[in-house]
Amino acid sequence: DTEVTQTPKHLVMGMTNKKSLKCEQHMGHRAMYWYKQKAKKPPELMFVYSYEKLSINESVPSRFSPECPNSSLLNLHLHALQPEDSALYLCASSPSEGRGQSPLHFGNGTRLTVT
Amino acid sequence: AQSVTQLGSHVSVSEGALVLLRCNYSSSVPPYLFWYVQYPNQGLQLLLKYTSAATLVKGINGFEAEFKKSETSFHLTKPSAHMSDAAEYFCAVTITHSGGSYIPTFGRGTSLIVHP
Repeated sequence: DTEVTQTPKHLVMGMTNKKSLKCEQHMGHRAMYWYKQKAKKPPELMFVYSYEKLSINESVPSRFSPECPNSSLLNLHLHALQPEDSALYLCASSPSEGRGQSPLHFGNGTRLTVT
Repeated sequence: AQSVTQLGSHVSVSEGALVLLRCNYSSSVPPYLFWYVQYPNQGLQLLLKYTSAATLVKGINGFEAEFKKSETSFHLTKPSAHMSDAAEYFCAVTITHSGGSYIPTFGRGTSLIVHP
């Protein structure tokens, strides 16, 4: 069982739709991450929140909009996506960004298909 | 700049055979290194981590890795492969982001195939 919960597991959306991905953790972690993973590729970092503030945005297009309502929740709002945005979106958490010695705890991801 | 290189995109072994997945790192400072496993349709799960306490690190599911500074390597091994070990394996190193944060960066991954 994963301690990071992502919903929904699967999402199919059209290019004009607006949808949101949700991530929740109750481990008291203060850093939360969004990754994008294409098939047979490593995860690519999109955003990092540290103590509920956006600390890293890896030049992600504005059609992806992250939100951290509180220390346990992380959302990714999607609007006007392109077919090439179809991928597995992974959420992760760690105790803090710290010096990077803490591993990440991943959810099982949301499989997104843009039609 | 810190990075990791995984040698071999696919490794194929027979059930019961030794598993060896290779990872070399590049870092100007003592690195934090990790191995993660990803089963189909799941997220990544930590197998083990090196944070300078011991050079031989034991992880879950019978895996271990040895940090060799002289060879800049952190190879993952398991004495006897099981069918359930078939998965994608990622080596990762913590890097210093341009903004001063510390984040993991992943190798390209190695797909482990286990034959009966």
